[in-house]
Amino acid sequence: ETGVTQTPRHLVMGMTNKKSLKCEQHLGHNAMYWYKQSAKKPLELMFVYNFKEQTENNSVPSRFSPECPNSSHLFLHLHTLQPEDSALYLCASSRGATNEKLFFGSGTQLSVL
Amino acid sequence: GENVEQHPSTLSVQEGDSAVIKCTYSDSASNYFPWYKQELGKGPQLIIDIRSNVGEKKDQRIAVTLNKTAKHFSLHITETQPEDSAVYFCAAPQMNTGFQKLVFGTGTRLLVSP
Repeated sequence: ETGVTQTPRHLVMGMTNKKSLKCEQHLGHNAMYWYKQSAKKPLELMFVYNFKEQTENNSVPSRFSPECPNSSHLFLHLHTLQPEDSALYLCASSRGATNEKLFFGSGTQLSVL
Repeated sequence: GENVEQHPSTLSVQEGDSAVIKCTYSDSASNYFPWYKQELGKGPQLIIDIRSNVGEKKDQRIAVTLNKTAKHFSLHITETQPEDSAVYFCAAPQMNTGFQKLVFGTGTRLLVSP
């Protein structure tokens, strides 16, 4: 148990589907993040939320839509994805948006057909 | 912005040997350098970090060294064990963003053979 739980662990979706990824942290942190991990590429920061407010959108296409209803929960809504969006999507949290220690979940392995 | 390069991409050692992974960074203002370990099927986990006001930090079999002048830092694992097999990532912060934005290296796959 890492303190950051992601569901589902695996997801297969067609390009016309709509799905959502869920992340929950049990660490009492105030900042949450979405990262994309593709093979042979560095981890890519997608979104940052601090106290439920989005502080960073790292030029992510609009087919990815984040939602942060409170400091413990983070969602990533997916629609009309492309095959190149297939990747491991990692959620992370930290005490605050300027606190460097990140705690990652196990990720959702997404395959877009 | 910050650029982080990591070498080697793969590293194979025998159990008991030492392993060294090196990273370089570009922004001389960077002040925090973490190392993450990612095991199969799991997310990255922080294993050790160092701040720019020290040159070395140790935690049992792992250590990190920092050379600010040369802008590189290294992870050292001594007496490697099979359970050390994983992908290791270094990172450095992109400064002046007002929030946590770590720039990660591309990772090193370490394989420790019994």
